[in-house]
Amino acid sequence: DGGITQSPKYLFRKEGQNVTLSCEQNLNHDAMYWYRQDPGQGLRLIYYSQIVNDFQKGDIAEGYSVSREKKESFPLTVTSAQKNPTAFYLCASRTGGGSPLHFGNGTRLTVT
Amino acid sequence: GENVEQHPSTLSVQEGDSAVIKCTYSDSASNYFPWYKQELGKGPQLIIDIRSNVGEKKDQRIAVTLNKTAKHFSLHITETQPEDSAVYFCAAKETSGSRLTFGEGTQLTVNP
Repeated sequence: DGGITQSPKYLFRKEGQNVTLSCEQNLNHDAMYWYRQDPGQGLRLIYYSQIVNDFQKGDIAEGYSVSREKKESFPLTVTSAQKNPTAFYLCASRTGGGSPLHFGNGTRLTVT
Repeated sequence: GENVEQHPSTLSVQEGDSAVIKCTYSDSASNYFPWYKQELGKGPQLIIDIRSNVGEKKDQRIAVTLNKTAKHFSLHITETQPEDSAVYFCAAKETSGSRLTFGEGTQLTVNP
């Protein structure tokens, strides 16, 4: 079955450590996205990539980094510079243009 | 950039009643408006979408209406069932680029 796989589902880290969240898709989609979800704040765009080896900052990119070396993979690194990293992180993809956005099932990151 | 407002933030209905969720958007050039349903611990799933050249779209118990002049669109769920209980998000797509802007979500509870 085609889909978007985010791993792990739950992730725990100590403050000051960088952590990388995995996102893999086998839908052959060109564009991939990372969103952060906090209670009562909807989905906020962190980074997105419309093509391999290219990506753009979203609305809340500070403290995060991404890479897009392969079409099917778009990992997100939460760095120690992110002031409040505890959140639910969602990866999404689509073919491009006006096509629907497909989401993975998220990674819940807790930093203590 | 685009700004999407969604109301109400919580909605409680009795099984069999109808539920209506409303969204407004700011960019008059936005042309694509999807609705997503998110169940607890999962990623959002597309349930219906509408484009700016259409005023209404139905899919069984779900319908979406769009008023381009007033810049608002609504989700209508008829004959609600307990399994409709979830968080619902509206979104709007910028004409330029490939970004979706999301509303803050509505927690719908259908009481048996």
